[in-house]
Formats: sequence, structure tokens, C-alpha cells
Amino acid sequence: SQTIHQWPATLVQPVGSPLSLECTVEGTSNPNLYWYRQAAGRGLQLLFYSVGIGQISSEVPQNLSASRPQDRQFILSSKKLLLSDSGFYLCAWTPSPADTQYFGPGTRLTVL
Amino acid sequence: QKEVEQDPGPLSVPEGAIVSLNCTYSNSAFQYFMWYRQYSRKGPELLMYTYSSGNKEDGRFTAQVDKSSKYISLFIRDSQPSDSATYLCAKANAGGTSYGKLTFGQGTILTVHP
Repeated sequence: SQTIHQWPATLVQPVGSPLSLECTVEGTSNPNLYWYRQAAGRGLQLLFYSVGIGQISSEVPQNLSASRPQDRQFILSSKKLLLSDSGFYLCAWTPSPADTQYFGPGTRLTVL
Repeated sequence: QKEVEQDPGPLSVPEGAIVSLNCTYSNSAFQYFMWYRQYSRKGPELLMYTYSSGNKEDGRFTAQVDKSSKYISLFIRDSQPSDSATYLCAKANAGGTSYGKLTFGQGTILTVHP
């Protein structure tokens, strides 16, 4: 069966510090991968998606970036965090675009 | 206008009640619909998934889609305290440049009290 992992689970970072969040999927190959952010009391905002290694599409201009160095690994990064980057970051995968998405446990990021 | 509109609630009901959660959507491109349940500080989990208009049942849950009025609903029968969570509706486009991307409603916070 397929499983999706995210780490760290929680993170507290100062403004201006770098960020690296990791997502990995097990039990499947060539998944579509997604990064979402969920602010308190809001729905999910799609940040990036990837259909293959090295292929990244950005949905929202911001100071975040994403990379996919391996088939089942998706990384969210920032060089300098802003206060507004605080939120709950979720990674999701799907076996194909026409299928539903399955979410990881999330990373709660607090920028102080 | 947001692509998917959902009343954020909060909604509080007694145990055993029938719960109705609703969303409206715009953009009539062919699409499919999902309901996710999200417990506090957890990732969303898929509850229901449907392509077509009409009803789809799974245990105590029924998803209803009315494409003519662009309305989607989730009904929970015999609600339990364990159903207390945030419920997110989502739609996905099945064609064009938006293929496969999900658009979520804001989420409805549901509390079922004993």
C-alpha cells in the first residue's frame, strides 16, 4: 500500500531563516506531487505541483520554491522566511491527474 | 467570486442528528468532486469521490451533486462525536491546463456533542 510522509511535523523558525520541508511517497512510482498551504480557518491553497523529476509548476508567486530531486521526493524551500509564511503545509500525491489526491500528515510552521 | 464557496460554520449538532454540509461552485468545465474530512492538526482524508450528478452512499455518508445548479452536498446520518472535524469540499477539472488540480472550499467546522 502507498504511504506519504512529511517531516518535520512541527517547526518554529525566526524571520529571515531558511526553510526545507520534505515529503516522500512509498509504494508507488511516478506520482503527481503537490504542496499546499493551509492558513488558520481557511481552505487549502495550492503552491506547487510536479508531474515528474525536475518538473515543477508554481501556482502562487511568493518567496517559496519547490524541487523534485527523486521520483518520490518533493521538497519545499525558502531562502528567507517571512511572518506570512506561517501555516500548515501539506503534501499530497495522486497516481494520475484524473484521480483523487491523498494527503500527508502535514508540517506546522510558525515563523516568529 | 471564488471557484468553490463553502459556509465555514461552525456547525454544532447533537449526537444522532442528520448533518447537511453544502458547497457551490462556478466554472462548468467537466469535473469531479470530493469531500475530505480533516481532524485538528491532521492532514485531510478522503471521504467521498464522485464524477456524476446524483447521490453516492458510503455507510452513514451520502454525497450529492447537482450539476444543473452547481451544488454539492454531504449528508451524515446518525452523527457521532467522532464525526467532529472540518469538512472540505473540492472539485477537480478533468481537462485543459487545470487538469487534475483541486480547488477547495474554505471548510466547515462541525461539532457533534453527546
